[in-house]
Amino acid sequence: AQSVTQLGSHVSVSEGALVLLRCNYSSSVPPYLFWYVQYPNQGLQLLLKYTSAATLVKGINGFEAEFKKSETSFHLTKPSAHMSDAAEYFCAVRDPYSSASKIIFGSGTRLSIRP
Amino acid sequence: DAGVTQSPTHLIKTRGQQVTLRCSPISGHKSVSWYQQVLGQGPQFIFQYYEKEERGRGNFPDRFSARQFPNYSSELNVNALLLGDSALYLCASSSDWTSGRAYNEQFFGPGTRLTVL
Repeated sequence: AQSVTQLGSHVSVSEGALVLLRCNYSSSVPPYLFWYVQYPNQGLQLLLKYTSAATLVKGINGFEAEFKKSETSFHLTKPSAHMSDAAEYFCAVRDPYSSASKIIFGSGTRLSIRP
Repeated sequence: DAGVTQSPTHLIKTRGQQVTLRCSPISGHKSVSWYQQVLGQGPQFIFQYYEKEERGRGNFPDRFSARQFPNYSSELNVNALLLGDSALYLCASSSDWTSGRAYNEQFFGPGTRLTVL
């Protein structure tokens, strides 16, 4: 069965510092992987996705993630944090065995930005 | 263009009651999925509907049911509410139904916050 594990439920960085949110996946087949962001009292917005093309994926708002098969990781990074990046971030995997377009989410990482 | 809309935004019910949540997909989208997000956790898949037919069901009890209408809008019903049903219920729409290796992006609505007392 597919699953994702997000390391660290809360990450705090200073404005302008590097953002690194960690995600490891478990999948018996090449996965589709995603990062979503959720701002307070809002739904989920897709940041970026990996669908077996380039291993380095660029998303919106300056975020990117690298698919590393050997490490079963899909960590999210941004070179310089902005106050507006404060939100909840979810790593997710698509279940290719499901009859539905089922997405399996991690438990989330809350990103705080210090002035 | 309007995104996915959900109603109501907030709802308070008591244990044992029944609730109906509504979702309108993006215009032209034919597939609707429902997710439950308990506080502090990631969303969990409940149902997917496409062309009024159920295409997938998550690990939820039979108290949860859904349907899709000819205009592709959808309702999620929960009977005999329990305290543990308190959550943010998210609806997502996509233009088509796909499984396996095919990919079709899902767009999420703002959710309905259900509180069960």
